[in-house]
Amino acid sequence: DARVTQTPRHKVTEMGQEVTMRCQPILGHNTVFWYRQTMMQGLELLAYFRNRAPLDDSGMPKDRFSAEMPDATLATLKIQPSEPRDSAVYFCASGFRSSQYFGPGTRLTVL
Amino acid sequence: GIQVEQSPPDLILQEGANSTLRCNFSDSVNNLQWFHQNPWGQLINLFYIPSGTKQNGRLSATTVATERYSLLYISSSQTTDSGVYFCAVDYKLSFGAGTTVTVRA
Repeated sequence: DARVTQTPRHKVTEMGQEVTMRCQPILGHNTVFWYRQTMMQGLELLAYFRNRAPLDDSGMPKDRFSAEMPDATLATLKIQPSEPRDSAVYFCASGFRSSQYFGPGTRLTVL
Repeated sequence: GIQVEQSPPDLILQEGANSTLRCNFSDSVNNLQWFHQNPWGQLINLFYIPSGTKQNGRLSATTVATERYSLLYISSSQTTDSGVYFCAVDYKLSFGAGTTVTVRA
């Protein structure tokens, strides 16, 4: 049963620290998405990759967030420096054609 | 960007009841998906349905693309159907605010 995996599942850190979240998409999927979910804003798209190329990162605060796909089996989302307002659940999703499948999420708490 | 509105925001059902959830979108789309977020936070893909009708067990969905809406039907609801149902459109998956469904035994 192929699944999107995300690590870590939970992260508590202090303001100013660097946070790196990792995602392993489903083998064979050519699109990867990063989303952030908060009670206030709901699900927001941060970045979108197709065939490892970044196509859209307009939803991402550029000064502190970065997203990369160093290879087809790994996508990373980095926050540096982290701030309390970054506290949220971060989801990765991968897809092929038009159906997307979500990972379990990383719950980030920035103190 | 495309605006997505879902209704109702909340729905309380007695086990065994049927229900209809609605998703309106502001522009033509070539991608529409329904997701269920269970009480543990996992987002599960239910349907990819940019047009037409699909059924999967007790769930079915219909999208009328020309009128810019989609409907999700839950029949004979069970407590495991509880959670938030999201509609998402376009290649970037713009999400609606969701419908929170609570099914009571």
